Amino acid sequence: DGGITQSPKYLFRKEGQNVTLSCEQNLNHDAMYWYRQDPGQGLRLIYYSQIVNDFQKGDIAEGYSVSREKKESFPLTVTSAQKNPTAFYLCASSINSGAPYNEQFFGPGTRLTVL
Amino acid sequence: AQRVTQPEKLLSVFKGAPVELKCNYSYSGSPELFWYVQYSRQRLQLLLRHISRESIKGFTADLNKGETSFHLKKPFAQEEDSAMYYCALSGTNQGGKLIFGQGTELSVKP
Repeated sequence: DGGITQSPKYLFRKEGQNVTLSCEQNLNHDAMYWYRQDPGQGLRLIYYSQIVNDFQKGDIAEGYSVSREKKESFPLTVTSAQKNPTAFYLCASSINSGAPYNEQFFGPGTRLTVL
Repeated sequence: AQRVTQPEKLLSVFKGAPVELKCNYSYSGSPELFWYVQYSRQRLQLLLRHISRESIKGFTADLNKGETSFHLKKPFAQEEDSAMYYCALSGTNQGGKLIFGQGTELSVKP
């Protein structure tokens, strides 16, 4: 099932390295989101973008960066400043962010492990 | 502070028994409430949302503003209901971002 894709599925990183997680959607959605999922903590918002060339910090943005140069793409960079980057990362999109009741569609996720 | 609390990490029931997954929230305005579900090896997906007032796969959820709760209920659990369930809220002018609870794993035994 396409719609929203994430790559790679698994990613290993050495300490001190930056890595970029890919998120692509072909749903023509305006809004895109990055969440981090840790056991027992649910999902926490890292960054979100309501429109191309614009994005806002979420609750745990420190150590992460994003860009939104194209409507279809919202890559997430995990920098060396992120103190505990090992986690499962989920990307999501929704048709727009104007209505709070819009459904978010999720990608399959990327599991990042720092060695 | 905006918060969603799911007090149970794990809920285990037998097939045919009633199920109630609890969700309480803290939000200063009028939130929109959702239940998302993640079945084994599948993506996180929307199960139902308050505004739709719908029943999906036999599940319903009622928003109780007085108790600030949005509990998910099903009268007769099925084995295929076993999954991870997340309660979430979104607010007006919040960019559509969701605040998730910690999740409850539902295990339905035969």
